[in-house]
Amino acid sequence: DVVLTQSPLSLPVTLGQPASISCRSSRSLVHSDGNTYLNWFQQRPGQSPRRLLYYGSKRDSGVPERFSGSGSGTEFTLRISGVEAEDVGVYYCMQGTHWPLTFGGGTTVEIK
Amino acid sequence: EAQLVESGGGLVQPGGSLRLSCVASGFSFSSYWMTWMRQGPGKGLEWVASMRQDGGERYYVDSVKGRFTISRDNAKDALYLQMNSLRAEDTAVYYCVRGRSNMDVWGQGTTVTVS
Repeated sequence: DVVLTQSPLSLPVTLGQPASISCRSSRSLVHSDGNTYLNWFQQRPGQSPRRLLYYGSKRDSGVPERFSGSGSGTEFTLRISGVEAEDVGVYYCMQGTHWPLTFGGGTTVEIK
Repeated sequence: EAQLVESGGGLVQPGGSLRLSCVASGFSFSSYWMTWMRQGPGKGLEWVASMRQDGGERYYVDSVKGRFTISRDNAKDALYLQMNSLRAEDTAVYYCVRGRSNMDVWGQGTTVTVS
């Protein structure tokens, strides 16, 4: 199974400051069709997960521009350019390239 | 707007069965793979099962193989999860999700408690 390792586990951030979350895969996430199926999800307290980014870096409709994704192969990063209060929650990476589909363990973003 | 609404959760004894349902609206259900995910209390997200548009392919996480069955009725825009031989570790919020590799629409979840 593909193991996704997220870091850090917890990320205290001052409002307006940038934040970065890493997601490392135990094997390449490039599919045989050429796409890289790496998704980032945000889960606010008490809510269902919401997809922020897909194909590693494509932002979903309605997602603020302060969220960006980068990376390829086995190393991916989610960046928030300036954290706002509404960004508090748990962030997960998820790979859709290999069965079984797997998630990272999650990163909790909190305000300092 | 695409929406997914789950139902069927509840309290069940170990060894019991439960059938979850998910009704889709706002998109062409028959055109999409569909997936069940779950989240145990205080835990992270876990993929459970996925099914191709025509039912020709189904995949399961190892821990539920032989106990859970994913199915769908495209005429009713509905997805199902039949859960048998339930265990305490199956206790979770179960989410219905659109997609296979890019999970873009999630339901609000239905809670299953095995105790």
